[in-house]
This record gives sequence, C-alpha cells and structure tokens, in this order.
Amino acid sequence: DQQVKQNSPSLSVQEGRISILNCDYTNSMFDYFLWYKKYPAEGPTFLISISSIKDKNEDGRFTVFLNKSAKHLSLHIVPSQPGDSAVYFCAASGVYNQGGKLIFGQGTELSVKP
Amino acid sequence: DTEVTQTPKHLVMGMTNKKSLKCEQHMGHRAMYWYKQKAKKPPELMFVYSYEKLSINESVPSRFSPECPNSSLLNLHLHALQPEDSALYLCASSQVAPTHQPQHFGDGTRLSIL
Repeated sequence: DQQVKQNSPSLSVQEGRISILNCDYTNSMFDYFLWYKKYPAEGPTFLISISSIKDKNEDGRFTVFLNKSAKHLSLHIVPSQPGDSAVYFCAASGVYNQGGKLIFGQGTELSVKP
Repeated sequence: DTEVTQTPKHLVMGMTNKKSLKCEQHMGHRAMYWYKQKAKKPPELMFVYSYEKLSINESVPSRFSPECPNSSLLNLHLHALQPEDSALYLCASSQVAPTHQPQHFGDGTRLSIL
C-alpha cells in the first residue's frame, strides 16, 4: 500500500524553464511534507518542506504547493539549471505517524538539458 | 558538505562476518535514524532513536542491531547478513518534535554481501 506516490519516474526540462514535480498521498493524517534531492553516490539532501496549515512555501528558486483537498503537492523549480538534474523524492509525515517517521515516494528523475 | 558523517563509505563482507556501520552528527539533534535503500527504490525506515533510546524498530531482522552510545553517535552492528541485505544504508538526524523538523541525511554506506 503506497501512501505517497510520484507517478512520473522521469522528467526532462530545458534549462531556464520551469520544472514541476508532482506527488500524491493517500493518508489524510499526514501533516508535514518534504522534498529531497538525491545525486548518485550521495545521501538525500533536504530542499524544502511545508506544513499542512500552509498551501505554499517558497525558498529561492524552489516553491512547494500543497492542495489538501486533492491530497496533492508539487515542487516548482524556476528557473531550472543543469545542476538541478537529480532524483527528487517527496516525503510525508504525521504527528500521529510514530515520531516523525517519513514515508517516501518512489522518486522522479529530473534531467535539465542545457 | 553533509553534516551527518557515515563510515565506511563502502563495505564488502561475507555472510559469516561481523561488522559495524557508524554515523556521527554534531548538530545537536536528539533523534537519529537508520534507513535502507535498494537501487531505484525510496529509502525505507529501519530504526529511530530519540534521546538515545530506541523508539521505533520497523520489524527489522535481528541480524541488524542498532546502538546509540551518545547523542552524537549511532551504530548499526551487522552479523550473519544475507545477499538480499546488500543496499545503501543511510543515517539521518533531526531535532525532536513537537514541531515537525526535517531529517538530514548522510551520504550512506554501500554494503555488499558476498
């Protein structure tokens, strides 16, 4: 039972354009959502998070949007850069979900072409 | 640069060997985590320590034995592993709740079981 889903295994975007990565969840008890970026041979790097009391959070080129009614979140990267090429994982957690346990999606591999 | 340091980066061991993975953080975090990640899959939680006490064991086989000797160190002792245990083992740390805090990951130990 996959509680966090990233339905696009890969995404290719031209440099300078917007990258939009999507994530859906099924558990309505989730109240904290995160995005991580992972390069090969490295651990996941925390990018940005959002609490369920908000619908948008912005940090530089990265913006996360949360639609609670649709149980959907998205990560926007503007403008996209070749160095953004990596696997992006969304993750979810809930205050009732055992001490901050993170549930990860399957990941989306982003390729930003020069 | 990652603030969670894992050693060794690579480990090859036989099924009868005993080895340990080490993780260290100096961010003052009081929650530490072990995850297992197989190729092309998301990280899966194994153990959580909160204030140096084991708070979550995700039904991990006893051939994996975690230890948290102090607030900065986390070990994973390995004994009699199976070939299917070959994976990337990730350590993470975070502040403890009540508010949600992101987990910060090390670069992992790539483990191969012969």
